[in-house]
Amino acid sequence: SQQGEEDPQALSIQEGENATMNCSYKTSINNLQWYRQNSGRGLVHLILIRSNEREKHSGRLRVTLDTSKKSSSLLITASRAADTASYFCATGGGADGLTFGKGTHLIIQP
Amino acid sequence: GAGVSQTPSNKVTEKGKYVELRCDPISGHTALYWYRQSLGQGPEFLIYFQGTGAADDSGLPNDRFFAVRPEGSVSTLKIQRTERGDSAVYLCASSPQSGSYNEQFFGPGTRLTVL
Repeated sequence: SQQGEEDPQALSIQEGENATMNCSYKTSINNLQWYRQNSGRGLVHLILIRSNEREKHSGRLRVTLDTSKKSSSLLITASRAADTASYFCATGGGADGLTFGKGTHLIIQP
Repeated sequence: GAGVSQTPSNKVTEKGKYVELRCDPISGHTALYWYRQSLGQGPEFLIYFQGTGAADDSGLPNDRFFAVRPEGSVSTLKIQRTERGDSAVYLCASSPQSGSYNEQFFGPGTRLTVL
């Protein structure tokens, strides 16, 4: 079953614009992770935010977490063509494995 | 260093056949995971190994699916009597150790097509 649900399912923006994706989840968490997947393969870890953190930055990425609303957002600033990919939020990990949402497909138009 | 590798990259088989999918984790990673990803969906957890033992196989859909990791490194996912619904990309991931705060490193996946 899917724990997280990303919103929107698809997003198309111009290069240089900012992209924002949202994730909602159902149960309490220790942390939430975001992954990127290019061309339907090869998931790459982007960032992990712990349940006691509200915001985290990594390069052009900014992640927020609101545990009271069970939601997270991923902001990519100054988007590039290479950012075109699917983005997934994931909760859990450890012995139970990660539980992923359906993902947001991001297209950066040159 | 080398990442997680999976072989074959593509596998086409006929309904009812047996298939084996192989995963080579990053050297030294004790935790290994298998996931299945259907078109347009996120990956779904199948099984987790800590060392040689399957610590959690709750995600395996039925008894046609089985996975081993005999020496605590390479893992093989085995599917018996394949069905068309088994068609998906099978992803393997490894992690230095277990624990939800650890990043998982994914392989490129094996795309399985059951005709």
